[in-house]
Amino acid sequence: DAKTTQPPSMDCAEGRAANLPCNHSTISGNEYVYWYRQIHSQGPQYIIHGLKNNETNEMASLIITEDRKSSTLILPHATLRDTAVYYCIVRVENAGNMLTFGGGTRLMVKP
Amino acid sequence: EAGVAQSPRYKIIEKRQSVAFWCNPISGHATLYWYQQILGQGPKLLIQFQNNGVVDDSQLPKDRFSAERLKGVDSTLKIQPAKLEDSAVYLCASSLELGPEYFGPGTRLTVT
Repeated sequence: DAKTTQPPSMDCAEGRAANLPCNHSTISGNEYVYWYRQIHSQGPQYIIHGLKNNETNEMASLIITEDRKSSTLILPHATLRDTAVYYCIVRVENAGNMLTFGGGTRLMVKP
Repeated sequence: EAGVAQSPRYKIIEKRQSVAFWCNPISGHATLYWYQQILGQGPKLLIQFQNNGVVDDSQLPKDRFSAERLKGVDSTLKIQPAKLEDSAVYLCASSLELGPEYFGPGTRLTVT
């Protein structure tokens, strides 16, 4: 069963912010929101994760709504190299819990 | 810090042949995963190890697939005999007991 819903594709202009939405309306209180991306012909790359607070690292920012039913991954200044499939995944943070990938969002950054 | 290493990167075999993939996780990572990614789909977990013990192999087709992680470090995934539908990218990932998984580059298998 899909735990997250993402748009299948999005476009973004190079240099602009890319805002990728994710709906996870059935998220449990102990489930984290994880974001990965997969550039063509490469393995998935970890981006960021969070529980309830907004998070920022050198790659992106994660904004989680107060009710935790949705989140947005923000790439502040998208480049052509950010063209990839972006996966939003929710999971409990405990040993033995794997990632369940859905369809993701195919982000195309255009010049 | 070195990432997850996998070999070979590409493999082409005929159906009914056997094949093996190798994975070396990030140093210190106790948990190791093998995923299968069919073209156009997200990765799907095949097996998960914690040190050298199996945590979850419920999605592993055990009639033809096998995996081992001797000494709790490197791992091998074997397919014997291969079928056409096994054509996919096989991804290895590792993690600490908690926290994100880090993936290797994958092995692209083509079965003809």
